Order: sequence, then C-alpha cells, then structure tokens
Amino acid sequence: GESVGLHLPTLSVQEGDNSIINCAYSNSASDYFIWYKQESGKGPQFIIDIRSNMDKRQGQRVTVLLNKTVKHLSLQIAATQPGDSAVYFCADLPSGYSTLTFGKGTMLLVSP
Amino acid sequence: DAGITQSPRHKVTETGTPVTLRCHQTENHRYMYWYRQDPGHGLRLIHYSYGVKDTDKGEVSDGYSVSRSKTEDFLLTLESATSSQTSVYFCAIAPSGGQNTGELFFGEGSRLTVL
Repeated sequence: GESVGLHLPTLSVQEGDNSIINCAYSNSASDYFIWYKQESGKGPQFIIDIRSNMDKRQGQRVTVLLNKTVKHLSLQIAATQPGDSAVYFCADLPSGYSTLTFGKGTMLLVSP
Repeated sequence: DAGITQSPRHKVTETGTPVTLRCHQTENHRYMYWYRQDPGHGLRLIHYSYGVKDTDKGEVSDGYSVSRSKTEDFLLTLESATSSQTSVYFCAIAPSGGQNTGELFFGEGSRLTVL
C-alpha cells in the first residue's frame, strides 16, 4: 500500500476498546468539519461531518465532537474493530469556499 | 463506488518529461479536485474545477496545469516533471451539494515517481 503512515502520530488500541482521535484546527470561520478514513492503498473515505453550529453529531459507531472555544475536533469510535485500522484525517471547509483543508492525519492501529 | 477512475495508477518517469494524469467520473458531478499526498503533509489541493473550462488554483499549484473540456474528465498535467513532484495523486468529486459540506468521493490514487 501507499506509505501515507510515515511521520504520523499513532494511536494503538485493543479490539473492543473505544478510540478517540483528536484534531486541532485554526480557521474559526469554517462552516463544516469533516472526518475521513484512509485505508492502506486506498483513497480517503468520508466518515462523518459536523456543522459549525453543532457541538456533537452521532453516526453508526462514531461520534464527532466540536469545541469551538478551543478549536478542537474529536472523533470517537465505539467498540473499535480491526477493520477500523487506518489513517484518519480531519478537514475543514471555510465559509464561502468549496475546497477542504486537511490535517496531517492520525494512524489508528487496532490489535485483536 | 462513486464512479471515479484514475489513470494511470502507477507511473515512473524521468525529470523533465511531461506527464498527464486523468480522472474520469461517470456521474456528471460539477466539482472535481486534484490533491497530492506526501508523508508529513497530508492531502494538499493542487487545482479544482467547478465546471467545464472552469478551474482554479489550490494550495500547491506551481508546476501543474489542469484542463476540463468535458464534465466527465479532469486532467492534471506536469509540463516538466521534477523529483519534488514524486507523490501520490488523488482525484475527488463532490456529489450534489458536497462542495458546500465537504463530503468528497476520492479515487484510488495515482502513484507517480520522478527519477
């Protein structure tokens, strides 16, 4: 697969644990914040987004939390599975723009 | 599968040669994007298009040009490849409204090595 994992912060968890991946952003004028998952050798895949006027949004086994006061975004994965092993990127969409700015990513490693 | 095909998937070329990467979509989405991905830098936008013949620069556009002569194809050209352009290139499309929410569909990537 592609070597996107070099130099990335890594979170290692056991199968069944809950995972929390964090992201700091700098643009306080962003409308949307988004999480993407990238498996080895594949393109990024949209997971979930949250609008800037929300604090929390839940999906299937995932929850995104947005703290605008400290410009912090987190992705919580419940009951982490080996298939969740991937690189996770946060991204933001500035107001009035149609292009994303991506963070550098966090690698999640799930061991059985 | 969002109907995105990138070609070629792998290419090795020499410094100074021209290279064109193709992104093809089957669903007539208006917005298309080219990103490059490098270790330590994440995904960075090169160029994007918001319609036929409508393109704009991204964060790292120097050394790259694009063309979109029809809705389904977005071409990325390196006029004279350099070693710093060795990277994995991803094409993405925004499904309806996706350009306003950040939901993009990505292709599988094209790995380019410039020797």
